[in-house]
Amino acid sequence: GNSVTQMEGPVTLSEEAFLTINCTYTATGYPSLFWYVQYPGEGLQLLLKATKADDKGSNKGFEATYRKETTSFHLEKGSVQVSDSAVYFCALSDSSGYSTLTFGKGTMLLVSP
Amino acid sequence: KAGVTQTPRYLIKTRGQQVTLSCSPISGHRSVSWYQQTPGQGLQFLFEYFSETQRNKGNFPGRFSGRQFSNSRSEMNVSTLELGDSALYLCASSLRGKETQYFGPGTRLLVL
Repeated sequence: GNSVTQMEGPVTLSEEAFLTINCTYTATGYPSLFWYVQYPGEGLQLLLKATKADDKGSNKGFEATYRKETTSFHLEKGSVQVSDSAVYFCALSDSSGYSTLTFGKGTMLLVSP
Repeated sequence: KAGVTQTPRYLIKTRGQQVTLSCSPISGHRSVSWYQQTPGQGLQFLFEYFSETQRNKGNFPGRFSGRQFSNSRSEMNVSTLELGDSALYLCASSLRGKETQYFGPGTRLLVL
């Protein structure tokens, strides 16, 4: 079956530091890949997505590249802000066509001033 | 466009009771999916509805059920509540089910 593995948190960084959150996946075919973010007390917000190999998703300074050869979709940001503190979820939607998402466990990011 | 809305936002029930949660998708979206989020199990898929039909179902007991109305609004019902049903229940909508899903703020259910 499908699965997503994320690095465990919390990830603690100082403001303006570089961020990487690792994500690898297992799926048949060519899944679509997503990063969602969850702020305290809220639902999930789509951060970025990529639908085919070598695609780069980007939004609000965050980037992730769909690497089929390494089955990875690592999230990066060059300079984090305190407001980026949240839980980040990597997810996939398999190529069957249905919208079922398989999520990783989530990685909490804490950014201090 | 208004986003996905869920009601109520918070709910407290006791064991053995039943509960109904409601989700209104983004206008024009016909697919609605439900997910359960708990600290231990993370985010787990419950079921998906499209055009009033359940199209896909996760691995949850029959106490969890849902339905979708002709206006695409969806409800999920949990009968005979257990303590372990305490969770954040998230609803997501997409156009037809094959596109990006957009999530609501969730309903936080506490079972005492």
